Amino acid sequence: TQLLEQSPQFLSIQEGENLTVYCNSSSVFSSLQWYRQEPGEGPVLLVTVVTGGEVKKLKRLTFQFGDARKDSSLHITAAQPGDTGLYLCAGHRGGYQKVTFGTGTKLQVIP
Amino acid sequence: DADVTQTPRNRITKTGKRIMLECSQTKGHDRMYWYRQDPGLGLRLIYYSFDVKDINKGEISDGYSVSRQAQAKFSLSLESAIPNQTALYFCATSDLGGRDEQFFGPGTRLTVL
Repeated sequence: TQLLEQSPQFLSIQEGENLTVYCNSSSVFSSLQWYRQEPGEGPVLLVTVVTGGEVKKLKRLTFQFGDARKDSSLHITAAQPGDTGLYLCAGHRGGYQKVTFGTGTKLQVIP
Repeated sequence: DADVTQTPRNRITKTGKRIMLECSQTKGHDRMYWYRQDPGLGLRLIYYSFDVKDINKGEISDGYSVSRQAQAKFSLSLESAIPNQTALYFCATSDLGGRDEQFFGPGTRLTVL
């Protein structure tokens, strides 16, 4: 059973466009992480959001945690070819639980 | 130097062979994980270990076994490899008591013919 659904599954856009990736669940998480995986490499942690409604910015990337802590979004402004990769969200339920990874969104930014 | 290393990085083997993938970490983390990644299927958890004496099955453990030789070492074995085990395999670590933020190795590309 996949607890975290990401949409869209695939996204191909032109350089300079904006985009939003969604991570949705019916479960409540104490925190939510976003990772980016480039071809041939392992995923790398981008950010962790922990408070309902929290917004974090990382250069052109904006991450938001839903008020009810069941969902999150990643918005990229003026996408660059270097943003190309697989974006994964992962939810943590706190305590000694392990994270649960989402289904992933594969992004291609065309120069 | 990389904090999480995996060997080998690439391996081609034949059906029925026994294969071992190794993972070492210098982050001092207690938790270690093995994931499998297939195209379009994201990451799937094979096994995880919260300390040296702890081994837990993940969602797809059939056909795999693991050994936690030390805090820093966690190996994955395919007892009798089959073609549908062809995939990318990732080792990851996280710190006990934190938010389970994962630090991944570079991956092993395994092909079973």
